[in-house]
Amino acid sequence: LAKTTQPISMDSYEGQEVNITCSHNNIATNDYITWYQQFPSQGPRFIIQGYKTKVTNEVASLFIPADRKSSTLSLPRVSLSDTAVYYCLVANNNNDMRFGAGTRLTVKP
Amino acid sequence: EAGVAQSPRYKIIEKRQSVAFWCNPISGHATLYWYQQILGQGPKLLIQFQNNGVVDDSQLPKDRFSAERLKGVDSTLKIQPAKLEDSAVYLCASSLAQTGVNYGYTFGSGTRLTVV
Repeated sequence: LAKTTQPISMDSYEGQEVNITCSHNNIATNDYITWYQQFPSQGPRFIIQGYKTKVTNEVASLFIPADRKSSTLSLPRVSLSDTAVYYCLVANNNNDMRFGAGTRLTVKP
Repeated sequence: EAGVAQSPRYKIIEKRQSVAFWCNPISGHATLYWYQQILGQGPKLLIQFQNNGVVDDSQLPKDRFSAERLKGVDSTLKIQPAKLEDSAVYLCASSLAQTGVNYGYTFGSGTRLTVV
């Protein structure tokens, strides 16, 4: 299973764009990159998933360079309610996802 | 669509006692997972079921933890006897497919266990 590395914590202010980068140097050809969000006292929640290039949904964008050794989760115009832990996971259809420690994002007023 | 249901929401027990957690996954989800999340850490997979069969229990401390999913629907996770280090949130998740890659996991809110 590809190991992921992401910053332990990040701070931002309301209205700013936040980019969280995840390194996965050993990503396999058939691996997908998935991001989850977890609020206190709740289970993780799926945000976005991608294989290459760029994926966008109503919540976030995911940028994956051509070598796929890293990925960046982009949260546009964050609000206080985006304060959470964000997990980057890499897996394929033959291996289930393993969670790392995640990135604790704190959005300040 | 109803989410993943877990109970109880909180549990406090003394060490060496036993405890059980219950999970009811989303209807139609064949795969069910139990995770342990210690404060400040990411969730750690304990066991994965595909219908009523175990797919992966390599990280389950089998000397004290057990889990079952007898009819391929709801599941129970048991700890007997509990240790102080078992204090954690126990999360249940379910997925439509065998892995969460294409369809994602849906998590319940978890059971917060405190062992004193």
